[in-house]
Amino acid sequence: EDQVTQSPEALRLQEGESSSLNCSYTVSGLRGLFWYRQDPGKGPEFLFTLYSAGEEKEKERLKATLTKKESFLHITAPKPEDSATYLCAVTTGANSKLTFGKGITLSVRP
Amino acid sequence: DAGVTQSPTHLIKTRGQHVTLRCSPISGHKSVSWYQQVLGQGPQFIFQYYEKEERGRGNFPDRFSARQFPNYSSELNVNALLLGDSALYLCASSLEGTPYGYTFGSGTRLTVV
Repeated sequence: EDQVTQSPEALRLQEGESSSLNCSYTVSGLRGLFWYRQDPGKGPEFLFTLYSAGEEKEKERLKATLTKKESFLHITAPKPEDSATYLCAVTTGANSKLTFGKGITLSVRP
Repeated sequence: DAGVTQSPTHLIKTRGQHVTLRCSPISGHKSVSWYQQVLGQGPQFIFQYYEKEERGRGNFPDRFSARQFPNYSSELNVNALLLGDSALYLCASSLEGTPYGYTFGSGTRLTVV
C-alpha cells in the first residue's frame, strides 16, 4: 500500500526565515510526486509535479526536489501570504489516483 | 474560463439521511475524481470517472456511489449518513483519466449531525 508521510505537522516561521518541508514516500513504482497548496476552506492548488530522482522545479520562493525516498519543498524568504497547508501526493499510475500525506500547516509571521 | 464548480458549498444533514453532491468539470475535461478530506487529514480517493465509466474506486463502503453524465458533470451520492462522513468533499477534473493536470474545485463542506 502506498504511503506518504509529511513532516513536520506544523511549522511557524518569521518572515524571511527560510526552511524546508519534508515528504517521504513508500510506493511501488513512482510515476509522479505532486505538491499542492491548500488555503482554509478551499481545494488544493497545484504547485509542482516531479517525476524522477534528481529533478528540481522552482516557482517564485518555492523549490521542490526529489530523491528516491523523499521530496523537499524549500521556501526561501517566506512572506505571510505563503501561510497555508502544503500537501504532498504520489501516483503510481496503476489506477490514476493520488495518495496524499496529511499536510504541513505553515504559518509565516510578519 | 470557469474552473471546477461544486455545489452546494455547505450543507448540514442528519444521521441516516441521503446526500447528493454535484461537480461540473472544466470545459473539455472528460475525467472527474472525488476525494474526501476529513479535518486535519489529506484528501482520500473515493472514485474516478472517465468518459462516463468508473475507472477507480477507493476503500469506501457501498453507501458511497457516483456517476458521470454525458456532459461530463458528476454526482456523488452517500446513503445512510454517519457522523464520520462529515468532511470536505473535493472534486477534481482532468483532460484524461490521470492525475496530471488535476484541477480541484473548492469542495462541499458536509456536516452530519
